[in-house]
Amino acid sequence: AQSVTQLGSHVSVSEGALVLLRCNYSSSVPPYLFWYVQYPNQGLQLLLKYTSAATLVKGINGFEAEFKKSETSFHLTKPSAHMSDAAEYFCAVSDGSLEYGNKLVFGAGTILRVKS
Amino acid sequence: GAVVSQHPSWVICKSGTSVKIECRSLDFQATTMFWYRQFPKQSLMLMATSNEGSKATYEQGVEKDKFLINHASLTLSTLTVTSAHPEDSSFYICSARGAGAGTDTQYFGPGTRLTVL
Repeated sequence: AQSVTQLGSHVSVSEGALVLLRCNYSSSVPPYLFWYVQYPNQGLQLLLKYTSAATLVKGINGFEAEFKKSETSFHLTKPSAHMSDAAEYFCAVSDGSLEYGNKLVFGAGTILRVKS
Repeated sequence: GAVVSQHPSWVICKSGTSVKIECRSLDFQATTMFWYRQFPKQSLMLMATSNEGSKATYEQGVEKDKFLINHASLTLSTLTVTSAHPEDSSFYICSARGAGAGTDTQYFGPGTRLTVL
């Protein structure tokens, strides 16, 4: 069965600093990996996804993530944090494409705080 | 992008009553809808998956008679918590995928916070 571990329930960075949110996964098959962001009172929004193509995935709002099979990791980064990045971020894994009925398994989430 | 709404955004009810939560896809046809439950400081846990016009498939440990799911149209699914008790208090989130929005992507609603007194 798949599982996701997000290291750090809260991360605080200064505006302009590097954002690094950690995600490690466990899967018995080649995984599909996702990062979602949730702003207050809004639904989860897809930031980016890895679907077995390029290992470095670029998403919206300047975020990117790198799939590292040897480390079973899919960490999310952004070179320069902006105040508007403050939100909760969820990493998720599935056994394959959602189109074929595979299910998302979520991590516990990381709340990102950006200090001015 | 595709939008999913939920109503109500929060609800408070007395123990023993039933509560219905609606999930709507506003600009696409949701052939599949999902209901999740989220406890504080924990991840989203999938409760059930429903395909339009079919009975919902519940995850292990989820009581189907307690959490009634209806997906009668391509834009609406409902979750009814029957005879709610304080332990049912939680944050309920729906998501949907389907034609017109990319069948390989799930779009999430903003969630409904249920408090049972």
